[in-house]
Amino acid sequence: TQLLEQSPQFLSIQEGENLTVYCNSSSVFSSLQWYRQEPGEGPVLLVTVVTGGEVKKLKRLTFQFGDARKDSSLHITAAQTGDTGLYLCAEPPMIYNQGGKLIFGQGTELSVKP
Amino acid sequence: EPEVTQTPSHQVTQMGQEVILRCVPISNHLYFYWYRQILGQKVEFLVSFYNNEISEKSEIFDDQFSVERPDGSNFTLKIRSTKLEDSAMYFCASRDRGVEQYFGPGTRLTVT
Repeated sequence: TQLLEQSPQFLSIQEGENLTVYCNSSSVFSSLQWYRQEPGEGPVLLVTVVTGGEVKKLKRLTFQFGDARKDSSLHITAAQTGDTGLYLCAEPPMIYNQGGKLIFGQGTELSVKP
Repeated sequence: EPEVTQTPSHQVTQMGQEVILRCVPISNHLYFYWYRQILGQKVEFLVSFYNNEISEKSEIFDDQFSVERPDGSNFTLKIRSTKLEDSAMYFCASRDRGVEQYFGPGTRLTVT
């Protein structure tokens, strides 16, 4: 079973700062998804990266997939208090068969202070 | 916008009691999931359901757990005899033929 390690586990920053969180594995990812989870809610998909070296942008969020597809990063520029939440990486299965379970990392808890 | 709903939001039960957690997936979705998240730990897969049968289950999903889609709308998770270690947030998710799973807000289960 794929193990996903996320770092840091906790991050507290001031509004306006930049930050990067990481997701790593000893094995190659087939693809990788990033989710954001707010208190009292379920995870919400932000992005899926598939190709090694791929970079995707979502407003102030930049997602990068490592060339070897064993790591990924999420960079937030000029963080806002609304970015506060738990950021999860997850690996979907290689083939979307009748299962399709997600394997999650333990998450990075981000707190952005005004 | 369609969303996955779950009831109740919080369930408190005594050890050994049966609980049923309810989910209403998005109406045209085909694949259904239950995950759980013990406080401070990662989100863990429990079971997936497709075409009215379990398609995959984890080691956690032992014979104390069962799932049902009784009426084409609801998707339920039953725990027959709850243990203290079953205390967790339980998330239902659904998807159509695409890659995105849509999660419900979760049910917090507290076993005392």
